[in-house]
Amino acid sequence: GENVEQHPSTLSVQEGDSAVIKCTYSDSASNYFPWYKQELGKRPQLIIDIRSNVGEKKDQRIAVTLNKTAKHFSLHITETQPEDSAVYFCADSGGYQKVTFGTGTKLQVIP
Amino acid sequence: DVKVTQSSRYLVKRTGEKVFLECVQDMDHENMFWYRQDPGLGLRLIYFSYDVKMKEKGDIPEGYSVSREKKERFSLILESASTNQTSMYLCASTPGQGQYEQYFGPGTRLTVT
Repeated sequence: GENVEQHPSTLSVQEGDSAVIKCTYSDSASNYFPWYKQELGKRPQLIIDIRSNVGEKKDQRIAVTLNKTAKHFSLHITETQPEDSAVYFCADSGGYQKVTFGTGTKLQVIP
Repeated sequence: DVKVTQSSRYLVKRTGEKVFLECVQDMDHENMFWYRQDPGLGLRLIYFSYDVKMKEKGDIPEGYSVSREKKERFSLILESASTNQTSMYLCASTPGQGQYEQYFGPGTRLTVT
């Protein structure tokens, strides 16, 4: 991808509430959209990804939606828990092997 | 379990020094990447390699070079370190062959004084 914008940069939610992080991309050729979670002092790890031929994907409390027309995709976390506190990065890729990351969202879940 | 290791967790160098950061992966991954991570800027790609002796510039290659002489090892070189290269450097690898999950190393915190 060329450019990925991610919002918000910080997000605080009460435990049990939902959290939504949004990203927009500019490269029409982008066809792969992963999300990574980075806990404090640790390395980023893939939590979910979606390809351009799918509009939504779920994995337990985490879901990602993709709107190719509007060029945006979102991460939804339901029933948030303290262990969800981390920095989350969206990314896009047109060539799969090379990804462009967003600037990150620091999520704080307040017990 | 995929292991990506980096040669140092913390490194302090002086301006003008030549700096080598090494990354090793043990899962026969085809592709390897170097990123730098700065607050508010996310992860920015410096260089990547999709095969031995092959390299491609990322988004911020200026001031850096890389070397991949063996499949499992990808080195990042700062020819003449400058203070604006103080950062967290993360290495990653992907299997290739239709698998695109990036496996990251633990990172090297480089300080240039």
